[in-house]
Amino acid sequence: DTGVSQDPRHKITKRGQNVTFRCDPISEHNRLYWYRQTLGQGPEFLTYFQNEAQLEKSRLLSDRFSAERPKGSFSTLEIQRTEQGDSAMYLCASSDSTNTGELFFGEGSRLTVL
Amino acid sequence: RKEVEQDPGPFNVPEGATVAFNCTYSNSASQSFFWYRQDCRKEPKLLMSVYSSGNEDGRFTAQLNRASQYISLLIRDSKLSDSATYLCVVKGYSGGGADGLTFGKGTHLIIQP
Repeated sequence: DTGVSQDPRHKITKRGQNVTFRCDPISEHNRLYWYRQTLGQGPEFLTYFQNEAQLEKSRLLSDRFSAERPKGSFSTLEIQRTEQGDSAMYLCASSDSTNTGELFFGEGSRLTVL
Repeated sequence: RKEVEQDPGPFNVPEGATVAFNCTYSNSASQSFFWYRQDCRKEPKLLMSVYSSGNEDGRFTAQLNRASQYISLLIRDSKLSDSATYLCVVKGYSGGGADGLTFGKGTHLIIQP
């Protein structure tokens, strides 16, 4: 399978714990995005990488959130001191540089904070 | 006013009928427009781009009205498999990343047999 893969698919954690999600984009794609989606809402942009550089972060991304893409390939999204409001589906997407507007999404990592 | 607004529905439509829904956007500088489809508990996938002159892809027709700042999606001869959430997506609006993709909340479509 050469699509975008995310791990873990589901994560249940207690409030206050740290969690980390991993995203492996399509191999030839240099752009990688993280979005968050809650029930009844569309995906909300969190952050964006071009190669290893994090070029933009949403104001939704509090200090408890950090994302990396150290070698310009896979990316991690870490949430520290989780809160119940962090419960959501975290979607990763990748695209190439042609700027067509097509993002290829992974199946997401569903986070439940108890 | 929200950046991208859609009627969340649900739209309950009998199989074979034609259904249309609109989306409005607030930023007149928006550059490009798309419809994505999201099945229940699945990831969004690009359905089609929306061009200024309007475009058609099989049973699907998308149109753009820049003056009124809305885009539309028309589905003809609807199939059961068309049941999904249709996300209106606008490019060129700050806060969406370098590609500037901002998603609406989606319109939920249910095709009934």
